[in-house]
Formats: sequence, C-alpha cells, structure tokens
Amino acid sequence: AQSVSQHNHHVILSEAASLELGCNYSYGGTVNLFWYVQYPGQHLQLLLKYFSGDPLVKGIKGFEAEFIKSKFSFNLRKPSVQWSDTAEYFCAVNERSVYNQGGKLIFGQGTELSVKP
Amino acid sequence: DTAVSQTPKYLVTQMGNDKSIKCEQNLGHDTMYWYKQDSKKFLKIMFSYNNKELIINETVPNRFSPKSPDKAHLNLHINSLELGDSAVYFCASSQASPADSQETQYFGPGTRLLVL
Repeated sequence: AQSVSQHNHHVILSEAASLELGCNYSYGGTVNLFWYVQYPGQHLQLLLKYFSGDPLVKGIKGFEAEFIKSKFSFNLRKPSVQWSDTAEYFCAVNERSVYNQGGKLIFGQGTELSVKP
Repeated sequence: DTAVSQTPKYLVTQMGNDKSIKCEQNLGHDTMYWYKQDSKKFLKIMFSYNNKELIINETVPNRFSPKSPDKAHLNLHINSLELGDSAVYFCASSQASPADSQETQYFGPGTRLLVL
C-alpha cells in the first residue's frame, strides 16, 4: 500500500533560520506530489505541487520543494523562515494511474513548525 | 467568497446520536471529497464523488453515508455516533475527473466533531 512519511513531527526554529522538511513516499509508479500548509485554526492551503517537468518547484511565500525520484523524496525548503510560517505542514501524494479514480490523496502525518520570534 | 465551506464548524454531541455535516463549493468543480483528520493530525480520505456519483469509498463504517444532491454539495451523515468518530472532518473539491488525478484539491475549513 502507498504511504507517505514525514520524518520530523515537530520542528522548532528561530526566525531567519533555514528550513527543510523531509517527505518520502512509497509507490513505484508515477505520482503527483503536493505540500499543504495548515495555519492555526485554518483550513489546508496548497503551498506547491509537482506534476512533471523541472523537479525543483517554487510555491507561495518563498517555499520550494525538490522531487528526487531515485530517493522517492519531495522535501520542502525555505531559506529564511518567519514567525508567520508557524503552522502544520503536510506532504501528500496521489498516484497517476487508472486505478486512482478521482485522485485520492495520501497524506503524511504532518510536521508542526514553530518559529520563535 | 469562501470557495469550499462547511457547516457546522463545531459539533458536540452524545454517543448514539445521528448528525450531518454539510459541504458546499462554489468553484464549479466536478469532484468532491471527505477526509478525516484524527487526533494525531493524520488525514485520511473517506469518500469521493464526481458529478454526484460515488467514486472512492474507503473502508469506512457504513454508519457514514455521503450524499450529493448536486455537484456543488457533498454532505456527510453519521448514524449512531461513537467516541472514535471524534475528529476533524474536511471537505475538499477539485476539477479532477475520474480518470485524472492532476488537479489540486481545495479544502474547506473543517468541522470539529466531539462525541461525548
């Protein structure tokens, strides 16, 4: 069965520190990859996505992620975090196959990011 | 101008009761979803509908019954609520068709259900 693993459950950083959140998935076929963010008390919002092409994708708010197919990874990065980046971050995958009717997303368990001012 | 809206935002109820959560999207999308987020923040899909037709039905107890009166609405009815049903339920929508997974899903604000 497919799964998505986020290695860090809780990350605490000071403002201006660099961020990297790990995400690995287990699926041998072609996938679409997503990072969502959930700010406190709010709904999930899309940060960025990868479908094909350049494996380095840029999203909103200065976030980027790199798809490394050989490592089954899609790590999220930001060079300098701000206090307002405090949130829960979710990596998600869906398989691009005729068996995935309707695009079921498989989510990782989330990483809580706390940024200290 | 909320794209995906859910009501109610909070729901506190007793074990054994029946309750419904409503979801509406104004994005013109064809596909809608229900996800459950447990106490450890794990998000798992429950159902997906495309143009009012059930597409995905994960291993969810049959006490949970989705209903899609039209493609802009997907409601979730839960019978005989149990303590383990306490969670946050998220509705989402996308432009994906059954054969197409390359569409972003847009999420609603969530409904926090607490069963006592």
